[in-house]
Amino acid sequence: KNEVEQSPQNLTAQEGEFITINCSYSVGISALHWLQQHPGGGIVSLFMLSSGKKKHGRLIATINIQEKHSSLHITASHPRDSAVYICAASPNTGNQFYFGTGTSLTVIP
Amino acid sequence: KAGVTQTPRYLIKTRGQQVTLSCSPISGHRSVSWYQQTPGQGLQFLFEYFSETQRNKGNFPGRFSGRQFSNSRSEMNVSTLELGDSALYLCASSPQLGDYGYTFGSGTRLTVV
Repeated sequence: KNEVEQSPQNLTAQEGEFITINCSYSVGISALHWLQQHPGGGIVSLFMLSSGKKKHGRLIATINIQEKHSSLHITASHPRDSAVYICAASPNTGNQFYFGTGTSLTVIP
Repeated sequence: KAGVTQTPRYLIKTRGQQVTLSCSPISGHRSVSWYQQTPGQGLQFLFEYFSETQRNKGNFPGRFSGRQFSNSRSEMNVSTLELGDSALYLCASSPQLGDYGYTFGSGTRLTVV
């Protein structure tokens, strides 16, 4: 069983739609990260969460510690949002990430 | 400021050879961690270095090793390459060990033929 599960695996949306990507984890964490990976491989760290909610532009990330669940929302989606979004958990012990398998998002104009 | 720099960007090696990948962290960052990304396994943690010492290691065979220099630059070495080692290798740097403000490099894509 993976320590971090993401859904959906693939997502296609029309430009302007509201998008939600979900992440569930089974380990105790000190932080939950959302990463964005564009074609070509470069990874950008979008958010680091340990509680509550964070917002950056059209991106919103939430976390529910009791339910061990986090969501990434994209409002007014745009084709440039097309990328793979990866959820990663930093466990309480050790200094490594557990990664979800990623959600491949395609936003169609 | 300059980001995390990984070299080379692309590499082709044959089975049995060894390879060394380089990662230069953001200036002032002292922790460097390495990850392997493959289509089948996704992203997996390899190891993390801080102050020239390996602090944590993932579940990879001993063929995978690394080191960190006094200027925080890190190298990763894979010996006796196998076809399954073909992957994107990413490194990330952060200011301190356990500091989760990681910045990732663009990766080195290794193809083993």
